[in-house]
Amino acid sequence: GESVGLHLPTLSVQEGDNSIINCAYSNSASDYFIWYKQESGKGPQFIIDIRSNMDKRQGQRVTVLLNKTVKHLSLQIAATQPGDSAVYFCAENKGSTLGRLYFGRGTQLTVWP
Amino acid sequence: GAGVSQSPSNKVTEKGKDVELRCDPISGHTALYWYRQSLGQGLEFLIYFQGNSAPDKSGLPSDRFSAERTGGSVSTLTIQRTQQEDSAVYLCASSPDRGERYGYTFGSGTRLTVV
Repeated sequence: GESVGLHLPTLSVQEGDNSIINCAYSNSASDYFIWYKQESGKGPQFIIDIRSNMDKRQGQRVTVLLNKTVKHLSLQIAATQPGDSAVYFCAENKGSTLGRLYFGRGTQLTVWP
Repeated sequence: GAGVSQSPSNKVTEKGKDVELRCDPISGHTALYWYRQSLGQGLEFLIYFQGNSAPDKSGLPSDRFSAERTGGSVSTLTIQRTQQEDSAVYLCASSPDRGERYGYTFGSGTRLTVV
């Protein structure tokens, strides 16, 4: 299943399916992007990052795609599991400010067994 | 410690009272950040400390909010004369100096409820 970030803040998928969570970022000067996972009652947890000189990066079961032309970021989760249920945030670093991250609103992913 | 530690985990306070929230970052991390997360919302930047540099306070919503970082380690976020709109989860994060990778490590947050 797919989400379109701010326009569809919830995504429900069947266990075993692939999930795609989308995020539009605002600043063409941003040079670093991160995806975080936040489970209920916990702080956000780093999943994967990507720099602006790349358009794809893979981790374990996750892939981040960056399209700088349309300022779009996506997180793909392969073979989604119930433990993947959480809110997913994209964050961007605007190159002029060292260290500060700007977070999107988040997408709630629910995985049904 | 192994992770970012925040205390208390929950705080209920009466409107008008002052509160102090504490953050103990990962040992050796020179950067420390405070963010606020309201129910169902994203993370709102508050303040950022980097080493001995002057902190970036540009996200503090009013002069009722202040933060200190003592000895380059523990940080305290103080909210004076709390208002109901201050109710939120306050998250602290730390990171090493900007280098090859500088994603944050977050604590579990302090849930503040102003009644």
